[in-house]
This record gives sequence, structure tokens and C-alpha cells, in this order.
Amino acid sequence: DADVTQTPRNRITKTGKRIMLECSQTKGHDRMYWYRQDPGLGLQLIYYSFDVKDINKGEISDGYSVSRQAQAKFSLSLESAIPNQTALYFCATSDRTGGTYNEQFFGPGTRLTVL
Amino acid sequence: QKEVEQNSGPLSVPEGAIASLNCTYSDRGSQSFFWYRQYSGKSPELIMSIYSNGDKEDGRFTAQLNKASQYVSLLIRDSQPSDSATYLCVSLRKGSNYQLIWGAGTKLIIKP
Repeated sequence: DADVTQTPRNRITKTGKRIMLECSQTKGHDRMYWYRQDPGLGLQLIYYSFDVKDINKGEISDGYSVSRQAQAKFSLSLESAIPNQTALYFCATSDRTGGTYNEQFFGPGTRLTVL
Repeated sequence: QKEVEQNSGPLSVPEGAIASLNCTYSDRGSQSFFWYRQYSGKSPELIMSIYSNGDKEDGRFTAQLNKASQYVSLLIRDSQPSDSATYLCVSLRKGSNYQLIWGAGTKLIIKP
């Protein structure tokens, strides 16, 4: 079984709709992250969470919100989707006891298309 | 100037040769560096991490770090067609609340 899972894997929606992307992990990691990736670009951090009560904005949080329902679950919501939010979205986790490395492990991604 | 810069490529290398991927970073406070491999449409996969000056070897992969020159590289020996992917250079900025700074990646093509 995959350590980090994301649902749905693909989603097509219309402008103005609210959608939620979900992430679950069985790695036992404290830290979870949401990234988006646009074609030809590096990953951009949307939100990150170090534990259930610690949620932080990343570099591109506008238009997004998150919920950390449990240590293992971290959801990303688009309150009112717009076409330029069409991208590949990744959830990632890392271990607080990972020393200085902060190695992150990724889920399979959600391909989101906003029409 | 991007904080982590990579040549976008594509870099074409014959099968069996050494592939050399390079990366520069602008923040001298960066303390750790990672190389991720990403196949098209798939998630990034960690292949190497390095935090001290010098070389670190793992199988066919060698990561090199030169903090004075703010330069990181990845060497892939005996390149295989399965190594064809985009390679992402990533830095961890000291004091950044453990945020990673991602390069845009270099596309590597291994020609049989």
C-alpha cells in the first residue's frame, strides 16, 4: 500500500465551484505539505502543517484553504475555482526527527482542470 | 534571480555515459540540498541528499556540493534509458521554517 495517498487522482471542475483535495499518510510523519506544479515550473508551496494545530501559509496560499483533520490527514480546498488553478497538486510529508535533512515524501498527485 | 537555478535542458546523453546535472543557489544560508527525480506526470522521488562540502556517492549517483561557489551537482554513471526524467535541485534554507526551495528542473534524455 502507498504511504501517501491522494484523492481524487484526476478532477475536472468548472469556474466558481468549490472543491476539496484529500491527502492521507501512513508514514507516521508530523509534517504535511501541499504543493502545486505548473508545466515547466518547479513546485510551489501552498500550505504546510507541522501538527494538527500548526498550519502555515506558503508562497501561493491565496485562493486556497486547508484543514488538518488528524495527524494523518491534510485537505486542500479551492473555495471558488478559477482556470489558472489548473495544475498538478502534490501532497508531501516529512519527519520531525529527520535531522537537518527535512526529506519530503510525495503522494501520486492530483491533476486538476478548471474549465 | 531565482533562488535555485538549473538549466532546463533537455540534456541528451548516450546510454552508458556519465550524465552531469548542475545547480546553483543564491542564498548562502542554505544548509541542505536534495536531488529529486520526476518522471512525466508523476510525483518527485528523492534520490540524493547532501549537506556537507564534497562528494556523496550512492550506487550510480554522486552528489557534489561546493558551498563557497554555491554549486550543487549530480552525476549519474552508466546512464540508462530509465534515467530519462526531470531532475529537480532543492535547497533547504536555514531559518525558513524548514521550507524547501525548488529549482524548475533539468530534463535528461538518455539515448540508447
